[in-house]
Amino acid sequence: GNSVTQMEGPVTLSEEAFLTINCTYTATGYPSLFWYVQYPGEGLQLLLKATKADDKGSNKGFEATYRKETTSFHLEKGSVQVSDSAVYFCARYTGNQFYFGTGTSLTVIP
Amino acid sequence: DGGITQSPKYLFRKEGQNVTLSCEQNLNHDAMYWYRQDPGQGLRLIYYSQIVNDFQKGDIAEGYSVSREKKESFPLTVTSAQKNPTAFYLCASSPPTGMNTEAFFGQGTRLTVV
Repeated sequence: GNSVTQMEGPVTLSEEAFLTINCTYTATGYPSLFWYVQYPGEGLQLLLKATKADDKGSNKGFEATYRKETTSFHLEKGSVQVSDSAVYFCARYTGNQFYFGTGTSLTVIP
Repeated sequence: DGGITQSPKYLFRKEGQNVTLSCEQNLNHDAMYWYRQDPGQGLRLIYYSQIVNDFQKGDIAEGYSVSREKKESFPLTVTSAQKNPTAFYLCASSPPTGMNTEAFFGQGTRLTVV
């Protein structure tokens, strides 16, 4: 199938802590992989993406590496800020469709 | 500015009524999508369209209908047959398949049945 599994939340971190949100996908072909972020009451915004194995997507201090051998695309940030509080979605694109994980809520406290 | 616009932002409907959610994009994208978002369930695909005058059912199409008469527009009708329509609805569009494909989202419409 075409599924995306991501770490369940909610996640609560102190400011400047290290963040990891795990994401794995089922290995059917070579999908493009994405992380989207959603702030309260808004639509989703693209955070970063990777289109082939070993690619690293990065944006605003967030990074994720396309690991074909483990079918993973974990999101990381070295030092989170209060403004990073949001819901994060992992997604893949295959067969003209986007498939999303269930989302991980992150709260960063000062 | 190019983008994707959903309207209205909030919508209230009485039980038994049909309601139509608007989605317009000026990005010249061929593909458009409708998702439903419920707490703890992520995004579920309702319908998608790859070209004008063509669309396909997603995972939860029952109780919904769409049309794609123009490239820019992909309205979603929530019919009275939808058993639990209260949710946050997101419309998205994407350019043709390729290395630069990504989904662009509208700001969403929150539908509440009263």
